[in-house]
Amino acid sequence: GAVVSQHPSRVICKSGTSVKIECRSLDFQATTMFWYRQFPKQSLMLMATSNEGSKATYEQGVEKDKFLINHASLTLSTLTVTSAHPEDSSFYICSARGGSSGYNSPLHFGNGTRLTVT
Amino acid sequence: AQSVTQLDSQVPVFEEAPVELRCNYSSSVSVYLFWYVQYPNQGLQLLLKYLSGSTLVKGINGFEAEFNKSQTSFHLRKPSVHISDTAEYFCAVSVASGGSYIPTFGRGTSLIVHP
Repeated sequence: GAVVSQHPSRVICKSGTSVKIECRSLDFQATTMFWYRQFPKQSLMLMATSNEGSKATYEQGVEKDKFLINHASLTLSTLTVTSAHPEDSSFYICSARGGSSGYNSPLHFGNGTRLTVT
Repeated sequence: AQSVTQLDSQVPVFEEAPVELRCNYSSSVSVYLFWYVQYPNQGLQLLLKYLSGSTLVKGINGFEAEFNKSQTSFHLRKPSVHISDTAEYFCAVSVASGGSYIPTFGRGTSLIVHP
């Protein structure tokens, strides 16, 4: 149980275009989802926390107008990278925590999206 | 705020040898501790977790970790590693902060198992 599906796994786009990444909880309701960015050989950098039905909370230094997060339902959150540039190339990972889970519950991760902007 | 330190960025080891990946944390309140594994180009998978109770926690794939409150550590161990254990390992800590659950991850340790 507790499967998180992230799509697409890889995407290549041209500079200036926008890319949408989807994160779905398949067998549980995710009241909270986290979006991370991971640079090569580095840890996960938390970009934002999203709660279903409310605006996402962005970490310091993350441009909310560039990284649009929508958490419209209990099973779906999306991250849209707008007007992508080569420096946005990275590995993006979503994770989710179920509504009935307490603060001591582990996160369930998607398999990540490798974004390459040319 | 809590923080996590993984002292070793890379740990090379031979197959069937024991291994320990170190993790230390700092927090002014009680914490929950986790170890995750990440295989290349994949998301993270939970290995084990410490919430309360016994300080020795057993996880999947033969891994175990011991919570040491006095040393604020949560080192990961395996008595005999396999080639397939080659991956990135992340230690994570969480506390309740303002009603939100904000997990913090260490920088990761790359375990490289040689034949």
